[in-house]
Amino acid sequence: QKEVEQNSGPLSVPEGAIASLNCTYSDRVSQSFFWYRQYSGKSPELIMSIYSNGDKEDGRFTAQLNKASQYVSLLIRDSQPSDSATYLCAVRDDYKLSFGAGTTVTVRA
Amino acid sequence: DTGVSQDPRHKITKRGQNVTFRCDPISEHNRLYWYRQTLGQGPEFLTYFQNEAQLEKSRLLSDRFSAERPKGSFSTLEIQRTEQGDSAMYLCASSFGTGAREQFFGPGTRLTVL
Repeated sequence: QKEVEQNSGPLSVPEGAIASLNCTYSDRVSQSFFWYRQYSGKSPELIMSIYSNGDKEDGRFTAQLNKASQYVSLLIRDSQPSDSATYLCAVRDDYKLSFGAGTTVTVRA
Repeated sequence: DTGVSQDPRHKITKRGQNVTFRCDPISEHNRLYWYRQTLGQGPEFLTYFQNEAQLEKSRLLSDRFSAERPKGSFSTLEIQRTEQGDSAMYLCASSFGTGAREQFFGPGTRLTVL
């Protein structure tokens, strides 16, 4: 499987702040990138997909992709306690996904 | 609820026993994937089906593991002669079409081997 690296965390942010999550990947030809949110004891939930260089916004989430630098990030604006979870970066590898180990985010009130 | 479903949600078994898990994908999704996740790690790919054909198997899938999707709908994952190292969350995901874009996960089956 292709390598996907994420900040190990944990990342603690105050409520209302921006949480910034980073992910790098090893395969230059990768084309599809995903962010999943996983609450403790639950399964991953897809929150963002991005396929082109640049930014993609969905509500309080913004994904950023830079294929030249092999880098994808996720910004969570106006962080809420309900955003406390582990965020998994995934890269499409043929038909399967290769995942990073995840970054745990804690939003403190 | 029209999402991916998995059964059972939890399974406790003794070492050496066989276990079987079931996954029902989102209807009309032609691709089905099995992943395994251990604590502190991201999911690791095990195998995937396009309709009823099993198209890829990971090296993680030893001879004790077998998966089927007999009619291109639900799938089963069987583990024979379970070992303590098999303890993990087994996740099923499905996707639609040939572009293999977004994959949607079921709730998972947590296996504990004593």
